[in-house]
Amino acid sequence: EVQLVESGGGLVKPGGSLRLSCAASGFTFSTYAMNWVRQAPGKGLEWVSSISGSTTYIHYADSVKGRFTISRDNAKSSLYLQLNSLRVEDTAVYFCARTSDYCTSTTCYRWFDPWGQGTLVTVSS
Amino acid sequence: DIQMTQSPSSLSASVGDRVTITCRASESVSSDLNWYQHKPGKAPEVLIYGASTLGGGVPSRFSGSGSGTDFTLIIDGLQPEDFATYYCQQSFRNPRSFGPGTKVDIK
Repeated sequence: EVQLVESGGGLVKPGGSLRLSCAASGFTFSTYAMNWVRQAPGKGLEWVSSISGSTTYIHYADSVKGRFTISRDNAKSSLYLQLNSLRVEDTAVYFCARTSDYCTSTTCYRWFDPWGQGTLVTVSS
Repeated sequence: DIQMTQSPSSLSASVGDRVTITCRASESVSSDLNWYQHKPGKAPEVLIYGASTLGGGVPSRFSGSGSGTDFTLIIDGLQPEDFATYYCQQSFRNPRSFGPGTKVDIK
């Protein structure tokens, strides 16, 4: 069974740091791009960051650029998100999600599937 | 960045109803448009990818259409388990932005 399990969330003060982890199983982790998506309380889904299977391509949302760092350990089938200089507005459930794709001769479609259950990060003094 | 909008932001419907949700991109995303269902406390799940292709295991009452900037998700015959929030997402360009969501609740 393909599964993603996040951990590492918790309560942290503004300006603090946290490291989130996502353990993957049931698929060849190194061949898939991975993503972090968050949902603030009462808000919608916000894409945060993505990393290619080989780590060649890394992207961040403007809202976290320079403060968050995405990484992965393919030997451990694990994805990470280092959160630094945390702000109250970073409070959210953080989900990891795999990029799945389907390619024809002319185009490739990409979507997020599966997703983990999420881990809650609360930034508060 | 590509901005995504959805309408309505919420709707009330009854079991058996036909529900239509629209999504609009600020510029063309071709057919690189996905739909997700999200229930509180659960992992989001893909319903539709490539604008119109049903995800694995997704019931056929869900359908998607559109290309370019305008897209539609239809639930034909709403079931009790369909009450949730629905998000569109463009996968044409980074950042892979989501729409603000449409909450479907019970009338």
